Parts: sequence; structure tokens; C-alpha cells
Amino acid sequence: GAGVSQSPSNKVTEKGKDVELRCDPISGHTALYWYRQSLGQGLEFLIYFQGNSAPDKSGLPSDRFSAERTGGSVSTLTIQRTQQEDSAVYLCASSTRDGKVETQYFGPGTRLLVL
Amino acid sequence: SQKIEQNSEALNIQEGKTATLTCNYTNYSPAYLQWYRQDPGRGPVFLLLIRENEKEKRKERLKVTFDTTLKQSLFHITASQPADSATYLCALERDDYKLSFGAGTTVTVRA
Repeated sequence: GAGVSQSPSNKVTEKGKDVELRCDPISGHTALYWYRQSLGQGLEFLIYFQGNSAPDKSGLPSDRFSAERTGGSVSTLTIQRTQQEDSAVYLCASSTRDGKVETQYFGPGTRLLVL
Repeated sequence: SQKIEQNSEALNIQEGKTATLTCNYTNYSPAYLQWYRQDPGRGPVFLLLIRENEKEKRKERLKVTFDTTLKQSLFHITASQPADSATYLCALERDDYKLSFGAGTTVTVRA
């Protein structure tokens, strides 16, 4: 594909509901990241997938957050029992590595609003 | 702990002037440093990369410097235009080879 795509672009949900966010990375990119960005804030790392290795989940804020990556391609981020503080933009990035250098390509994000 | 600090204040400049953004870091030994641009409602977009053995890198009206002794990178936008208005993020390679991003500096160029 031309770039990283994410869906939905916007999601409004009620507190306590579960949500699933989807990311389609650039074909051939083995690494995939999820970030969270609150209004006016920087990127908060959530989780990292690299090939078939175990994911780095060190950034997940609570056990309500989980993510999977199927077949080394599409990834879904699931937030269970959403809270108002989960409202943010969730960004996905896939990356390519040239030797030691990694460059990340970001999707447009999913804007999540928890009422 | 590893920390990346960018200009905390937003930058407002007149069209045609040079904008200079700062990225300072602690407890990193990066092999390279990157700058990204983020427009409202969009994901960041890669702009420039500078390696540890490079002092300066240019791309059109953009110039980046990298001082590994000072642990600092400067990002310059010369002959600035209103279309340059955006948030600019620096990113460094962590010890585990993943990128870590600064909080960004918002630049507004007035016509």
C-alpha cells in the first residue's frame, strides 16, 4: 500500500465499553509501533512488534490495553472497559531499518473519545 | 533515565526569518538523530536524519546540526513560510535500538 492506514479515523464510545483500533502497516515493514498522543502532548510509546519476536509491551499503561499482530502484518490495539482518560489520538507506525538506522512511517491516527 | 527535551515554548516568527529549534538529550549515546514534522490531525512525517559523525545536514531550507559533546541538535528553518507552521519532533535511538521522541516544538510562521 501507499502508506500506513488506520481505522476508524474517529471513535466515540461510552465509558466501560471495549474498543478495537486497527493498523495496516506498509507492506514489508517488519516493525510496528503503537503510540498514544494526548492533546498538545508528545508521543507515548505503548507497544512494539518486530517480526516473530515477542512484543515489547513495556509501554502499555494498564492491563486493559492489549495488542496483537496477525501474520506479521495487520495489528489491532484493544482497550477494554474504556475510561475517560483513555481519550487521545492513537498512532500506529511501521518502520524499515537500513543497517542501524530506523525510520518510522506513521498512520493518520485514530481519535478516541470516551464519554 | 533517558530524557529528550525540546523547546518548551511555542515559536512564533515572521515569514522570511529563521526558526531555530533545540533538542537536548541525556543518557543517550545515539548513532543518529532524526527530525519529524507533525501537522494538526496527522501523524508525524520524517524530515531529516543526521548521524553521530556528521556535524551538519541540509535539505532545501532545513538545516540540522548535531553536537554529541553538548548532547544537542539544532533544527533551523531558513526563509520560513506560513506553510512551515507545524510541530517538529526530534527522535533518538534508545539503547534497545527503538526510537524515542521528544514532546515537540510548535512553530507558527506569520505572513
